[in-house]
Amino acid sequence: KAGVTQTPRYLIKTRGQQVTLSCSPISGHRSVSWYQQTPGQGLQFLFEYFSETQRNKGNFPGRFSGRQFSNSRSEMNVSTLELGDSALYLCASRATNTYEQYFGPGTRLTVT
Amino acid sequence: AQTVTQSQPEMSVQEAETVTLSCTYDTSESDYYLFWYKQPPSRQMILVIRQEAYKQQNATENRFSVNFQKAAKSFSLKISDSQLGDAAMYFCAWTASTGNQFYFGTGTSLTVIP
Repeated sequence: KAGVTQTPRYLIKTRGQQVTLSCSPISGHRSVSWYQQTPGQGLQFLFEYFSETQRNKGNFPGRFSGRQFSNSRSEMNVSTLELGDSALYLCASRATNTYEQYFGPGTRLTVT
Repeated sequence: AQTVTQSQPEMSVQEAETVTLSCTYDTSESDYYLFWYKQPPSRQMILVIRQEAYKQQNATENRFSVNFQKAAKSFSLKISDSQLGDAAMYFCAWTASTGNQFYFGTGTSLTVIP
């Protein structure tokens, strides 16, 4: 099976812009989670989707949003970008009734 | 608080030697799962080993094994016969039986010295 894929891999944006990141889970996985990874904070949980429903959300401002499509692909959107949003954004998928997550390679977002 | 603490930001080990990475966690859940993930410099996070909290037997995967102390909420990773390819950032994590949120530690950077 193909692994989790994320696009784009690298992105440079300017403060105030918005950005959309995409994640395609492993085939058959219906749960998709998003994380923000920064050197100082480690992995911070953003949200988790299952069958197009957001089941859990981390402690991030409303500028961070996401959605999941019927084919389990997920997108996350960050509006009004700030310098502090520069990070590696990781997506992970999980099969139903299992507990291990499988991660994608991440999208490196740089905000200038 | 649902936290994970990895008290060793950096560790080093000689090739072929053994190293142990520490992890403690805090949860009020009774049913949960614990994991160690490895993130090499290429950035792809890879699952190393998992442990079900209801199992007393420590999990092993080839050269990787854990020491799970449920009462102490401790979950350390032992890497035996360390190889150059083991050099990476290692993250400890846990999730409750609902599985819809993982809690990660801040990581331990492991260097393997030839």
